[in-house]
Amino acid sequence: NIVMTQSPKSMSISVGDRVTMNCKASQNVGNNIAWYQQKPGQSPKLLIYYASNRYTGVPDRFTGGGYGTDFTLTINSVQAEDAAFYYCQRIYNSPFTFGSGTRLEIK
Amino acid sequence: EVQLVETGGGLVQPGKSLKLTCATSGFTFSTAWMHWVRQSPEKRLEWIARSKDRSNIYATDYVESVKGRFTISRDDSKSSVYLQMNSLEEEDTATYYCILGLGDYWGQGVMVTVSS
Repeated sequence: NIVMTQSPKSMSISVGDRVTMNCKASQNVGNNIAWYQQKPGQSPKLLIYYASNRYTGVPDRFTGGGYGTDFTLTINSVQAEDAAFYYCQRIYNSPFTFGSGTRLEIK
Repeated sequence: EVQLVETGGGLVQPGKSLKLTCATSGFTFSTAWMHWVRQSPEKRLEWIARSKDRSNIYATDYVESVKGRFTISRDDSKSSVYLQMNSLEEEDTATYYCILGLGDYWGQGVMVTVSS
């Protein structure tokens, strides 16, 4: 089964900075990756699907990239409300494995 | 407005069973592919099961760790999807989410605690 590895596990960023987090698949998944944001006490929310497509209503400071085995989620000009856990997930084919998440803390 | 509402969680002893219900509204349920995902207390997300729609013969998929123990089913007349969980283990303790399609809509989640 495909393993999704996210890095780093956590990061502390200042407002206005740019941040990039990574998701690596153990096998080629094409562009079949989604990214989610989860804030405390809330359900995860879809940010990006098929690696680079921004979901409806997601601010354009969120950008997804990559193909095959290596994927990135970049947040340009981080805002205080971006403090959350971020998860990648393999989509389209079962099993729909999640990565272990990256915690983004705002200084 | 799309709504997904999970119910049926609670405290259960190891080896026992529990059935979760996800009642939905605001979209055409009969053509929707539905998923269950769980999140452990350590915040790890795990996809559990998927149910395709009638045109795909209601085909189902499961993660290996629940095969033979959990069953996803649906009732299109009630716009509801279910998760029957048997032979529960302490490792099944988690918040269980019902999800529509690609992951654009999630329920609020329901907690299941397996403990003696």
